[in-house]
Amino acid sequence: AQSVTQLGSHVSVSEGALVLLRCNYSSSVPPYLFWYVQYPNQGLQLLLKYTTGATLVKGINGFEAEFKKSETSFHLTKPSAHMSDAAEYFCAVSLNFGNEKLTFGTGTRLTIIP
Amino acid sequence: DTGVSQNPRHKITKRGQNVTFRCDPISEHNRLYWYRQTLGQGPEFLTYFQNEAQLEKSRLLSDRFSAERPKGSFSTLEIQRTEQGDSAMYLCASSLAGRRPFRRTDTQYFGPGTRLTVL
Repeated sequence: AQSVTQLGSHVSVSEGALVLLRCNYSSSVPPYLFWYVQYPNQGLQLLLKYTTGATLVKGINGFEAEFKKSETSFHLTKPSAHMSDAAEYFCAVSLNFGNEKLTFGTGTRLTIIP
Repeated sequence: DTGVSQNPRHKITKRGQNVTFRCDPISEHNRLYWYRQTLGQGPEFLTYFQNEAQLEKSRLLSDRFSAERPKGSFSTLEIQRTEQGDSAMYLCASSLAGRRPFRRTDTQYFGPGTRLTVL
């Protein structure tokens, strides 16, 4: 079985500051890892994903994440926050076989301070 | 290029009534997933289809819930005798699965969801 822990249900950063959203996972087999973003009253949009290969993954809107197997982490970062980044962010894990259903964390609400 | 669509977007019903939601996946996608998201939580897997076959159901899916994908295209999720605890956002996602075991599925693309409120 796999699970995801997102530390910090709410994170506030100033516009232009570094964004760091934390995600740790538990998986009995090599995982596939994802970050999704959800804007109010909308579905989830994929930001980036790690499957195999390069451990530093770049996504849309300037976000990136690094897979660190030794730390079982997949933290999401963005060098400079923008007001439009305010949203809910979900980290998710799936197995690399089977039905590949996603197991999500509880989410982190990102607030940008002007 | 249309994405995943879900109807209705909002549904308010009284306890004990039946409701049905529809999901239209991206046209060439052969896998379809249903998730449920309650307030303050991440989405939780309910069930998924490969073409018209329902291959897995979560323990969250009680006997009051039934899902179908009769022609391998759109899917419906029905909840019978709704309870207040069923109030949630119901999300649908689709993906394209390659031939196994050499290819895993592509990314899951989510629809906007159906928000159910049971009074």
